[in-house]
Order: sequence, then structure tokens, then C-alpha cells
Amino acid sequence: EAGVTQFPSHSVIEKGQTVTLRCDPISGHDNLYWYRRVMGKEIKFLLHFVKESKQDESGMPNNRFLAERTGGTYSTLKVQPAELEDSGVYFCASTFSGTPYEQYFGPGTRLTVT
Amino acid sequence: AQSVTQPDIHITVSEGASLELRCNYSYGATPYLFWYVQSPGQGLQLLLKYFSGDTLVQGIKGFEAEFKRSQSSFNLRKPSVHWSDAAEYFCAVVTSYNTDKLIFGTGTRLQVFP
Repeated sequence: EAGVTQFPSHSVIEKGQTVTLRCDPISGHDNLYWYRRVMGKEIKFLLHFVKESKQDESGMPNNRFLAERTGGTYSTLKVQPAELEDSGVYFCASTFSGTPYEQYFGPGTRLTVT
Repeated sequence: AQSVTQPDIHITVSEGASLELRCNYSYGATPYLFWYVQSPGQGLQLLLKYFSGDTLVQGIKGFEAEFKRSQSSFNLRKPSVHWSDAAEYFCAVVTSYNTDKLIFGTGTRLQVFP
């Protein structure tokens, strides 16, 4: 069984540009989460999807971030326009509804904004 | 606000030595507690979790953790460290039974010398 995959693994963009990160959860997992780790800080929750609906987006930093989950499958996280402070590692995780506390994480996307 | 503290940013041990990684949480009730490990290039992997019951929990890869309510701690231990244990370790909690978003500590990087 394939794990959670994320694309790209690393992205370097200039301030003001747009970047889209993609996450493919484990097949059959209804719950999908986005987290972010800024250099030297803790991993912080961004938002939670249940199927295609946003269950909790309390961690989204501002309206430059837009997350979508088309058809309840893969998810994208768009940052537009990117700022320097957006640099960090973006993790995606997924769970099966029957085991909500066992989150399976992807390897992360390292975003560098210059 | 709920928080998780991992006081040791970086720990170095010799292969075969015992290991204890510290984790303290700040929360009024007993949260759900987790330890994750991230090896280079990999996603976060769940080592073990505590919900209730026996305060000493066993996890994968020979790790265990002990929940101490009086100290608000959930320290991770391993009696004999292997070189492959070199990684970053994260303590995390879920503080509300109505949500499953994780609150992480800042992580402890473990280096193992032969």
C-alpha cells in the first residue's frame, strides 16, 4: 500500500510568486491534514479536510494560503503571493475515519522563498 | 494555551547506550499523547501513543514511553540505542476529543556515535 505522497519535494521561488503544493493521501483515508514547520520551530497545524470539506482551518496563517481537496482525493495548498516567512517544510497527513488519531505523514515539501 | 515542551534540542549518545527524551505538556486534563520520529528524507512515523490505561506504553523499534500525570510528562525511552535510531523525535498531543489536530513540540535531534 502506497503511503502519503507529496509533490514537489523541494521548491525554490522568489517572493511574490505563486507555488502549489500537492498531497496524495493513502487511498481510502477520508481525513487529510496540512501542517507546516518553519525553521527551528514546532510543526504547526494548518487545516483539516474531511473528504472534500474543510473541517478546521484555524491554523491557516492568512488569505494568501488556499487549500482545496478535489473530490475528496488529493489536496493542493497554494501560496499566492509567497512571502519570505512562508519558507519551511509543509507536511501532509491522512487518517482513516475509524482511527482518527493515527495520522500517516508524507515526507514533506521544503519551500524556500527568496 | 496548550503547549508541548521538548527541552533538549539535540542529544548525542553512543551506540548501545540508553536513551531518554523528555516531553512535557501544558494542558488541564490528560490529553492524548504521541511520539513521532522523522528519519532523513522520510515522513513522520508514529512510534507510540497513549490514550488511557497502563501508563507505560510500548511502541515500535523497541521504544517505550511513560505517562506521569503528576509531572505532565511523557518521556520516551530506549534501553539500547542503535545507529539507525539517529533521527528527529517529536512529542505531540491532541487536547480536545472533538478534534484530532496534533500539537507538536519543537523536536529533539538524536545523534548516535559508533
